[in-house]
Amino acid sequence: DIQMTQSPSTLSASVGDRVTITCRASQSISSWLAWYQQKPGKAPKLLIYKASSLESGVPSRFSGSGSGTEFTLTISSLQPDDFATYYCQQYNSYSLTFGGGTKVEIK
Amino acid sequence: QVQLQESGPGLVKPSQTLSLTCTVSGGSISSGGYYWSWIRQHPGKGLEWIGYIYYSGSTYYNPSLKSRVTISVDTSKNQFSLKLSSVTAADTAVYYCARESRYRGFDYWGQGTLVTVSS
Repeated sequence: DIQMTQSPSTLSASVGDRVTITCRASQSISSWLAWYQQKPGKAPKLLIYKASSLESGVPSRFSGSGSGTEFTLTISSLQPDDFATYYCQQYNSYSLTFGGGTKVEIK
Repeated sequence: QVQLQESGPGLVKPSQTLSLTCTVSGGSISSGGYYWSWIRQHPGKGLEWIGYIYYSGSTYYNPSLKSRVTISVDTSKNQFSLKLSSVTAADTAVYYCARESRYRGFDYWGQGTLVTVSS
């Protein structure tokens, strides 16, 4: 199985901050990576697919980059609605795996 | 707009079989192009993919759960189902069904259903 490692596990930030979350794959996954946002009690929501493609309806302050084994999710200016947990997920192989999550908290 | 809805018992006894169904509306499972998945989330923890099924009936399961998982599809009802056998307290989780595109990841999710394993 491909292991996905996210860092940090928790991030404290203020409204307006630029936030970067990293996801590393245990082997190359090309660009087959998605990012999700999850709020308490809710299902995850797709933000980014194929590493850098913005899902329809997602604010442009979200962006993704990377390929191979290292990826980043960036929020250019953190908004109150962005405090949530973020997950990366690889879909390069038939066996799908998620990262452990990054909780973005209010500083 | 595609919608998915999980249904099934919220309480299952240890050693029994957990059974859930996901009903899809706003799109046909038979149209192809998508993989229909089950994902779970233990309380306060991360996401764990359980497995998926294609409309043709082809399946692929998480190797760590493979011996206990069966996913099936009923295209006439536009539903797919999960069976997880020999459950223990460690299987207590919120179970989600979701649609997966090999190009876009999981683009539609159900709201999730909490299943508790307890006697």
